[in-house]
Amino acid sequence: QVQLQQWGAGLLKPSETLSLTCAVYGGSFSDYYWNWIRQPPGKGLEWIGEINHSGSTNYNPSLKSRATISVDTSKNQFSLKLSSVTAADTALYYCARGRVGNYFYYGLDVWGHGTTVTVSS
Amino acid sequence: EIVLTQSPGTLSLSPGERATLSCRASQTVSRSYLAWYQQKPGQAPRLLIYGASSRATGIPDRFSGGGSGTDFTLTISRLEPEDFAVYYCQQYGSSPPLTFGGGTKVDI
Repeated sequence: QVQLQQWGAGLLKPSETLSLTCAVYGGSFSDYYWNWIRQPPGKGLEWIGEINHSGSTNYNPSLKSRATISVDTSKNQFSLKLSSVTAADTALYYCARGRVGNYFYYGLDVWGHGTTVTVSS
Repeated sequence: EIVLTQSPGTLSLSPGERATLSCRASQTVSRSYLAWYQQKPGQAPRLLIYGASSRATGIPDRFSGGGSGTDFTLTISRLEPEDFAVYYCQQYGSSPPLTFGGGTKVDI
């Protein structure tokens, strides 16, 4: 059974860099895209970006200039860094597994438990 | 950017009733790239439907998805108490690669 375990600093000051890591336990690491999604308090889901085992990335244009997703295949981990955070970045951050086949998308089928990140001076 | 608009914002129903949730895209979305999720308070979202109409592993058959082009639906044939939650549609494939709808809350 695949599990995603995530961690990172939960309280940041404005202008600092958010850093989160997600470890993948069980299953293949190379057959999937690994995603970061966030959810501000009381609001909907916002996709941040994704990475595959080769390090190929895609980002939400609204965050692209500040977000960096990286992968460490030796540890089956992937990470998110979000620079210059403000109060607007306060949210519950999730990691999730996605699979894309030949002209088909299988959805985000495994999710981490979420990490609450609060940005406050 | 493809914008997904979900309606209604809130759907007030009773157990045993049928729920029909709508997801409208600002541009054509391939059926193969449309998914639905359920989120309960304090929990991560759970994948319900992918490929517009395929149920994910372990999802009861009272959940069904349909539609094509710009209009997609999620139907819950007979609401169970555990189905009261927020539902999100999501598309993959167009720039940006992944977007979510704003969600529909199904409550009593």
